[in-house]
Amino acid sequence: GAGVSQTPSNKVTEKGKYVELRCDPISGHTALYWYRQSLGQGPEFLIYFQGTGAADDSGLPNDRFFAVRPEGSVSTLKIQRTERGDSAVYLCASSLIPGYNEQFFGPGTRLTVL
Amino acid sequence: TQLLEQSPQFLSIQEGENLTVYCNSSSVFSSLQWYRQEPGEGPVLLVTVVTGGEVKKLKRLTFQFGDARKDSSLHITAAQPGDTGLYLCAGTGGGNKLTFGTGTQLKVEL
Repeated sequence: GAGVSQTPSNKVTEKGKYVELRCDPISGHTALYWYRQSLGQGPEFLIYFQGTGAADDSGLPNDRFFAVRPEGSVSTLKIQRTERGDSAVYLCASSLIPGYNEQFFGPGTRLTVL
Repeated sequence: TQLLEQSPQFLSIQEGENLTVYCNSSSVFSSLQWYRQEPGEGPVLLVTVVTGGEVKKLKRLTFQFGDARKDSSLHITAAQPGDTGLYLCAGTGGGNKLTFGTGTQLKVEL
């Protein structure tokens, strides 16, 4: 596809369960970002990948959150032992190269933890 | 932590009115971007400003970056219902991540 895609679009889980959220960036984009957005608020940075490596994971709230990008393209955000406070929209973005290039955002995955 | 405060938080106006959204910080940013986000979608970039004092126009939208690169404003002339959405400013401090503002929810009614 032409844009960033994210799956699933919606995910409902129970407290304590494990979830995986997937991001397919724009083909050829080397930089990939994960953000988390609460209703009516601005997105908050979680982690940034340059290629396969996490160049900045300073936004991950705790060690229940982990992300991978094993082949430098698709990325998976993994959340262990989910809590109700993890409920939010998780946005993925990609850019051609890191820095001031425009970040193109996907539609997000809405995670609801019951 | 760099924080970007936007005001107002909510704005409901009639078609044809003018409005200004403000984005303020105590920190200096290398560049500042404005995004618009619609329900169920990700933010879409409207403009990037880099130089202090810079003014950019995009049809009915005028963006200004403060001289000290700590603040910015978005002015919309003759608002239309299609302008409805969540407006977000976002700053970069020399790194690669975006620091987003608190958001301004705009509703333009007929």
